[in-house]
Amino acid sequence: EDKVVQSPLSLVVHEGDTVTLNCSYEVTNFRSLLWYKQEKKAPTFLFMLTSSGIEKKSGRLSSILDKKELFSILNITATQTGDSAIYLCAGGPSGTYKYIFGTGTRLKVLA
Amino acid sequence: KAGVTQTPRYLIKTRGQQVTLSCSPISGHRSVSWYQQTPGQGLQFLFEYFSETQRNKGNFPGRFSGRQFSNSRSEMNVSTLELGDSALYLCASSPGDSGQPQHFGDGTRLSIL
Repeated sequence: EDKVVQSPLSLVVHEGDTVTLNCSYEVTNFRSLLWYKQEKKAPTFLFMLTSSGIEKKSGRLSSILDKKELFSILNITATQTGDSAIYLCAGGPSGTYKYIFGTGTRLKVLA
Repeated sequence: KAGVTQTPRYLIKTRGQQVTLSCSPISGHRSVSWYQQTPGQGLQFLFEYFSETQRNKGNFPGRFSGRQFSNSRSEMNVSTLELGDSALYLCASSPGDSGQPQHFGDGTRLSIL
């Protein structure tokens, strides 16, 4: 059965800290891995990763995929209180939008 | 460009009733997917529609159904509601090529009494 597992389940840090969120996956015919940030409403898209070893960056956030070991990490440097959210990762098979989501990592950043 | 629009935002129903939720995708997007989000299970895939056809389906009972119209708007219907159907229902749209990410609406929060 396809599955995506995220760790840790929750994390509390102080502003300025660096955090690493983990996502491991087992998805048949895997094509892409997506990261989303969810605050109170819609999950907002962060990254889509399809190639192994190529880091994607957006400001203080970065992510990388390892297709051999079947995992991805999301790094957030110099965290801010606005980074407090649930971070979701999802694995997607080729040719379909039937994404398998992990249960998320709840990040709380304290001032 | 307007985002994904879901209506209504909140719904309260009782067991045994049925409900219809609506989703308007981003202009130009032809694929619409529906997810159920609960605290214990996270986001679970319900189904995906593309060009008015159901392209993929998750592991939900037949009480959950959907459809897509020619303008790509989609509706989801749940019949014979159960307490366990209480959840946030999220709709996501994409251009249709699975190489493009999905973008989510704010969801409809359904509460069953």
